[in-house]
Amino acid sequence: GENVEQHPSTLSVQEGDSAVIKCTYSDSASNYFPWYKQELGKGPQLIIDIRSNVGEKKDQRIAVTLNKTAKHFSLHITETQPEDSAVYFCAATSYSTLTFGKGTMLLVSP
Amino acid sequence: SQTIHQWPATLVQPVGSPLSLECTVEGTSNPNLYWYRQAAGRGLQLLFYSVGIGQISSEVPQNLSASRPQDRQFILSSKKLLLSDSGFYLCAGEPGTHYGYTFGSGTRLTVV
Repeated sequence: GENVEQHPSTLSVQEGDSAVIKCTYSDSASNYFPWYKQELGKGPQLIIDIRSNVGEKKDQRIAVTLNKTAKHFSLHITETQPEDSAVYFCAATSYSTLTFGKGTMLLVSP
Repeated sequence: SQTIHQWPATLVQPVGSPLSLECTVEGTSNPNLYWYRQAAGRGLQLLFYSVGIGQISSEVPQNLSASRPQDRQFILSSKKLLLSDSGFYLCAGEPGTHYGYTFGSGTRLTVV
C-alpha cells in the first residue's frame, strides 16, 4: 500500500517568512495529492490539492509542487501570518482511501 | 457543497459503557464516508470507510464497529469502551473520487 512521509514535524517561522513542508510517497500509481490545515480542536480543512497531470498549483499565498519522478510534493506558504499557525497534513492516493502524512505543526510568531 | 455534521463535540464515558457517534452528510448523494481517530500525536488513523448503504470496510481490528443505515448517515459504535478508545474522532465524506475529503468538526471522547 501507499506510504507517505512528511517533514518537518514542527516548523517555526517569523511572520512574513516563507514556510515549506515536504512529503514523499511510495506508490507510483498515486495521482491525487491534497493538503489539509487543522486548527486546534477542529477537523482538518482542505486548503489545496494537485493532480498528477499538473506540476504546480497556486492559490494566493499557498502553492503546491509535485515531482512525479522523485515521488515528492511540497506545500509552500509565502508571507506567513499568525493565523497560518496550525497542523498541516499532506495525503496521497490513486483510486483508494487517502494515506495521510503524520502532520507538521507550523508556528508563526508575530 | 458537502457539509459533514458530527455530534456530540465532547463526550466523557466510563470504561465498559457503550458508544454511539453519529455523522450525517448534507449536500451530496452517495458519498464515500470515513471514520478517523486522532490521538494526541496528531496522526490520522483510518478506522472504517463506506462506499454505500450497508457496506463497511474495517482498516484496524479493534473494539469499535461502524454502520451505514442510510445513504447520508454513518455511525461509529462500541459495546464496551476501553481506556485506549479515548481520542478525537473525525467523520469525513467524499462526494466522488479525487474531490478531497470534507471533515466534520470532530468528537473529543474521553474514557474514564
